[in-house]
Amino acid sequence: GENVEQHPSTLSVQEGDSAVIKCTYSDSASNYFPWYKQELGKRPQLIIDIRSNVGEKKDQRIAVTLNKTAKHFSLHITETQPEDSAVYFCAASKGNYGQNFVFGPGTRLSVLP
Amino acid sequence: DAGVTQSPTHLIKTRGQHVTLRCSPISGHKSVSWYQQVLGQGPQFIFQYYEKEERGRGNFPDRFSARQFPNYSSELNVNALLLGDSALYLCASSLSGLPVTDTQYFGPGTRLTVL
Repeated sequence: GENVEQHPSTLSVQEGDSAVIKCTYSDSASNYFPWYKQELGKRPQLIIDIRSNVGEKKDQRIAVTLNKTAKHFSLHITETQPEDSAVYFCAASKGNYGQNFVFGPGTRLSVLP
Repeated sequence: DAGVTQSPTHLIKTRGQHVTLRCSPISGHKSVSWYQQVLGQGPQFIFQYYEKEERGRGNFPDRFSARQFPNYSSELNVNALLLGDSALYLCASSLSGLPVTDTQYFGPGTRLTVL
């Protein structure tokens, strides 16, 4: 089955710097890759997603890139702010019924003021 | 993510007991999925339902079961609780359950503690 690895497990950056989190997946049939942000005690919230017919997607300070050949995708956050501090999860899915989302183990991002 | 609701918010049970967790999807969403999130880990898929039919099942024992009702709400049942079942149980809804076309939104979760 699908296996998703995520690095780094923890990341500290200064406010205003950029943060990059990388995920690799094992199943080449996966074609949908969301990123979720989870603050302590809260639900995971979708922040951006990408489907396999696209190589890059951007939404204001957040971008995701996908390399299907290498089977990895990355989250890029620019101009980080203290409120970006949270745990970020990547996930991969084949996109069909019952093709469940396989989540990475998470990255704890701390943005230092 | 607005609109997915879960009840109860917190639950404390003892080993061997049974528990029922409930989820109401966003209005118009017909698919509900259940996930278990152990502290410090990513969510793990348990079930997906669409139009009251099971569409997917994760690697969980038969002690876990679920169903979806005509109004698209859903219940997750866990029998013979073990200490290792302590986790945050998340429900997620989407329009059709097909990630290739639509997005999945999570509810706030039910925190289950098994003593």
